[in-house]
Amino acid sequence: QVQLQESGPGLVKPSETLSLTCTVSGGSINRYYWNWIRQPAGKGLEWIGRIFTSGNTNYNSSLKSRVTMSVDTFKNQFSLKLSSVTAADTAVYFCARVARGSSSLDYWGQGALVTVSS
Amino acid sequence: SYVLTQPPSVSVAPGQTARITCGGNNIGVKGVHWYQQKPGQAPVLVVYDDSDRPSGIPERLSGSSSGNTATLTISRVEAGDEADYYCHVSDTSSDHYVFGGGTKLTVL
Repeated sequence: QVQLQESGPGLVKPSETLSLTCTVSGGSINRYYWNWIRQPAGKGLEWIGRIFTSGNTNYNSSLKSRVTMSVDTFKNQFSLKLSSVTAADTAVYFCARVARGSSSLDYWGQGALVTVSS
Repeated sequence: SYVLTQPPSVSVAPGQTARITCGGNNIGVKGVHWYQQKPGQAPVLVVYDDSDRPSGIPERLSGSSSGNTATLTISRVEAGDEADYYCHVSDTSSDHYVFGGGTKLTVL
């Protein structure tokens, strides 16, 4: 059974860079698309971007200037960096896998709360 | 950018049928996916590619899509179905993933 687990600091200061890692277990990271999605408290889901294991990326246009994603196939991990954060970036951040042959997200991490505050 | 519109809330009595809609321009030609999210939990895929169900999802949950509207139908609603539901598509013109705003299903 594939499992995803987000990890990283739960508190980030304004103007600094948010960094999260998603560790994939129970299956290979190879030849899948991997996504980051976030959800502010009480609000809906916002797609941040996705990365293929080749390193190809697609980012949400609204965040593109601040987002960087990377993948480490040897560690079965992929990562998110979001720069110049503000309070508006406070949210639960989820990582998720795209199912093969579909654009659906079939496996999700439990989510990591990141708060931006001084 | 592509927009998906969902009603903020739907209420239904136990045993009845709930229908949650997702509106989008020509959504019928896109593959629509639906997720169920309970408080404090990650979303769970309940319908993919308009009408297919992942293993373990009961047949009471079904999906359809045509024209400008996709619908998630939950038959014989149970208390355990109370949750937020989100639709999701891949917008090929922008190569972005798009989520609807979510619908809170309340079981009366």
